[in-house]
Amino acid sequence: DAGVIQSPRHEVTEMGQEVTLRCKPISGHDYLFWYRQTMMRGLELLIYFNNNVPIDDSGMPEDRFSAKMPNASFSTLKIQPSEPRDSAVYFCASSLIPGLPTDTQYFGPGTRLTVL
Amino acid sequence: AQSVTQLDSQVPVFEEAPVELRCNYSSSVSVYLFWYVQYPNQGLQLLLKYLSGSTLVKGINGFEAEFNKSQTSFHLRKPSVHISDTAEYFCAVSGRGNTPLVFGKGTRLSVIA
Repeated sequence: DAGVIQSPRHEVTEMGQEVTLRCKPISGHDYLFWYRQTMMRGLELLIYFNNNVPIDDSGMPEDRFSAKMPNASFSTLKIQPSEPRDSAVYFCASSLIPGLPTDTQYFGPGTRLTVL
Repeated sequence: AQSVTQLDSQVPVFEEAPVELRCNYSSSVSVYLFWYVQYPNQGLQLLLKYLSGSTLVKGINGFEAEFNKSQTSFHLRKPSVHISDTAEYFCAVSGRGNTPLVFGKGTRLSVIA
């Protein structure tokens, strides 16, 4: 398996623009997680899905952020409109079933977002 | 709910010296414990995990961690570090029963030649 795939790897955009980050989880994994990493706040869980259904989006910072998982092999994280404070590295991760011995999250390489 | 505290944000150490990265957790239920490593410009990858059984867990690259239930700790150790161990290390906890990982804020290990 190729692992978790994220695109783009780098994104530079201007304030106010819409940004869409994409993720393909490992085939067969039931859970998908979106994280944001910054120097100030560390690694934050934004939202996670189970079988394509959002389970907990309490980490989504505000309404400008939205995430979807239309099928088992694809998820998007959208920011509209983007702001400079959204600049961060966004990670996608997938796992089988959290809370079980098989629980290991596999992370993608991340998308480095810069909002000017 | 679970929480994780990594007591040191940065740890500098000379090459071939031993290192210990500290992690304490808080949970009202039984947990699984993890250490992840993040090399520069990469995603996180699993270093080792404690599920049950022996409290000493061995991972990749010569790292090991010891689960101490009475002290609610899961410290990471390596007897002799290499330059290539320079990275950020994250401790994480998962409560049993479909709960996602909770990560600590990370410890940046810098190995000095």
